[in-house]
Amino acid sequence: SYDLTQSPSMSVSPGQTATITCSGDRLGDRYASWYQVKPGQSPVLVIYQDSKRPSGIPERFSGSNSGTTATLTISGTQAMDEADYYCQAWDTSTAWSVVFGGGTELTVL
Amino acid sequence: EVQLLESGGGLVQPGGSLRLSCAASGFTFNNYAMTWVRQAAGKGLEWVSTTGSGGAGSYYTDSVKGRFTVSRDNSKNTLYLHMNKLRDEDTAIYYCAKDLAAGGMNDPSFDYWGQGILVTVSS
Repeated sequence: SYDLTQSPSMSVSPGQTATITCSGDRLGDRYASWYQVKPGQSPVLVIYQDSKRPSGIPERFSGSNSGTTATLTISGTQAMDEADYYCQAWDTSTAWSVVFGGGTELTVL
Repeated sequence: EVQLLESGGGLVQPGGSLRLSCAASGFTFNNYAMTWVRQAAGKGLEWVSTTGSGGAGSYYTDSVKGRFTVSRDNSKNTLYLHMNKLRDEDTAIYYCAKDLAAGGMNDPSFDYWGQGILVTVSS
């Protein structure tokens, strides 16, 4: 099976840049998506196809993907960005499947 | 406005069965693949199953293969998850989610999610 690895947690000061990474074998050869999950709420798609933002997602959210690492960058992080962030990719190496990373808890303090 | 509304959750004993429903509105349901994702308390997101727009091509995570069946009724704009032989470890909030892109099942990502429904498997 295909695995995506994320650091469990990180913290950032308000106004600073948060960089959340997701690693997987040849991840750069496939698209990565990112989801924001706040306590008690449903996931929200913030980045798809590596770097595209859905309508309504602030410009401070950006993404990239190359080699073995996909990156979600939050520029000018705000308190409202405190959440868990999950990367996601599609895998067909053994069977059709969707894979999520373990999630990164972002604390803004 | 796209809306996804799950129902059918609750408490069930180990070995029991449950059927989840996801009523969709605000988009052309039969044009999109649909997915179930779950999240156990204190754990991360876990993909459970995806079914293609026409109902053909259904896929499952290994831990539910042979126990869960995904289906859809495009005439009712409703997605289902039939869960049998439930185990303690199936306890989670279950979300239905809509694929961002219409048509095929390549490179899925999920742009709309339901509010989630709790399934508790316990004796």
